[in-house]
Amino acid sequence: EAGVAQSPRYKIIEKRQSVAFWCNPISGHATLYWYQQILGQGPKLLIQFQNNGVVDDSQLPKDRFSAERLKGVDSTLKIQPAKLEDSAVYLCASSLRGILGETQYFGPGTRLLVL
Amino acid sequence: SQKIEQNSEALNIQEGKTATLTCNYTNYSPAYLQWYRQDPGRGPVFLLLIRENEKEKRKERLKVTFDTTLKQSLFHITASQPADSATYLCALDMNRGSTLGRLYFGRGTQLTVWP
Repeated sequence: EAGVAQSPRYKIIEKRQSVAFWCNPISGHATLYWYQQILGQGPKLLIQFQNNGVVDDSQLPKDRFSAERLKGVDSTLKIQPAKLEDSAVYLCASSLRGILGETQYFGPGTRLLVL
Repeated sequence: SQKIEQNSEALNIQEGKTATLTCNYTNYSPAYLQWYRQDPGRGPVFLLLIRENEKEKRKERLKVTFDTTLKQSLFHITASQPADSATYLCALDMNRGSTLGRLYFGRGTQLTVWP
């Protein structure tokens, strides 16, 4: 079974530029998550999709971050414009149904550096 | 305020000893508690899950306990090996008021097992 795929693996941009990340979850998984992990901290949920609908985007800085999950499969996360404090690893995860007690499967992450 | 604390940022032990990692939380009432392992440059990988009404769970050399009165989980690795060196994350699995869950991660404990 293929795991969660993410691209690119690394990205370096200057502040005020825009950037987009892509995620392909495990086939058949209804729930997709985007997390931000700042160095030395645990992952923080940015947005959770159930199929192609948003369940939770309370921690997403909506003035600069946007995300979509077209057709309930792949997802993209965009930052526009980027700030220095956006430097972090952006992790995508998926789970079968998103219910309590369910395992989440993580991709390798995209490491973003904003200069 | 809600808080998840994992003991000391780093834990160094000798091969063959038992590693004990602590996860304490305040102002949460998780339905489950999950433990993940994260290696450098990779996404977290699920290890074990325990329900709020379970006291202990085991899987091979791993054991997790959950005390909802103390608001604490302990994660043990017996007969530790250098290959166990990684960052271990605890995550509270919270009920959203439906069947859906949401994970809140601690910042992790970096374990180093030396020969």
